[in-house]
Amino acid sequence: SQLAEENLWALSVHEGESVTVNCSYKTSITALQWYRQKSGEGPAQLILIRSNEREKRNGRLRATLDTSSQSSSLSITATRCEDTAVYFCAVSGANTGKLTFGHGTILRVHP
Amino acid sequence: EAAVTQSPRNKVAVTGGKVTLSCNQTNNHNNMYWYRQDTGHGLRLIHYSYGAGSTEKGDIPDGYKASRPSQENFSLILELATPSQTSVYFCASGDAPGEGQDTQYFGPGTRLLVL
Repeated sequence: SQLAEENLWALSVHEGESVTVNCSYKTSITALQWYRQKSGEGPAQLILIRSNEREKRNGRLRATLDTSSQSSSLSITATRCEDTAVYFCAVSGANTGKLTFGHGTILRVHP
Repeated sequence: EAAVTQSPRNKVAVTGGKVTLSCNQTNNHNNMYWYRQDTGHGLRLIHYSYGAGSTEKGDIPDGYKASRPSQENFSLILELATPSQTSVYFCASGDAPGEGQDTQYFGPGTRLLVL
């Protein structure tokens, strides 16, 4: 079974709407990361949230982390067509740097 | 300018042939990683390295070897390619600040088709 997993395979919204992608994980973590992968590109990190943090923001992005329920969310406000991508959560354990990625949530933002 | 580059970007190989995928990074990162990406599986770690001369097995190393001859270069080698290794391969470098908080920077990927 996956160490990290997004709760939905796909989401679809219209431009300007807000959207949230959720992730659950199954291990003790030091940090959780959110990555975005646009078509034809490699993933790029959006937010890194450490286990002692509850919320992290980056522009229109907001990530939360709840270590008691082993879950995280990534919210995007005022979505744009260019936000269309696959969104991954990834978790890492102590001292290895190794990331385990979820399967990803496909987000489509329609005009 | 792209900090992680991969070559080739596309490759067609025959079953049983040898394939070498190359990765170069100019980030001066110690850590480098090879992943494969398949529909429904996300990114899965094949091999990684903590520095020149070191290679470690990831989660799915069978059928793959890795080589890290220098800080900048990390290769993935398929000695006997099989159709099941048809996939998109990504290389990444990481800045490893410690305690598992390694931000990874990915290359553009190599699309491999094994016939």
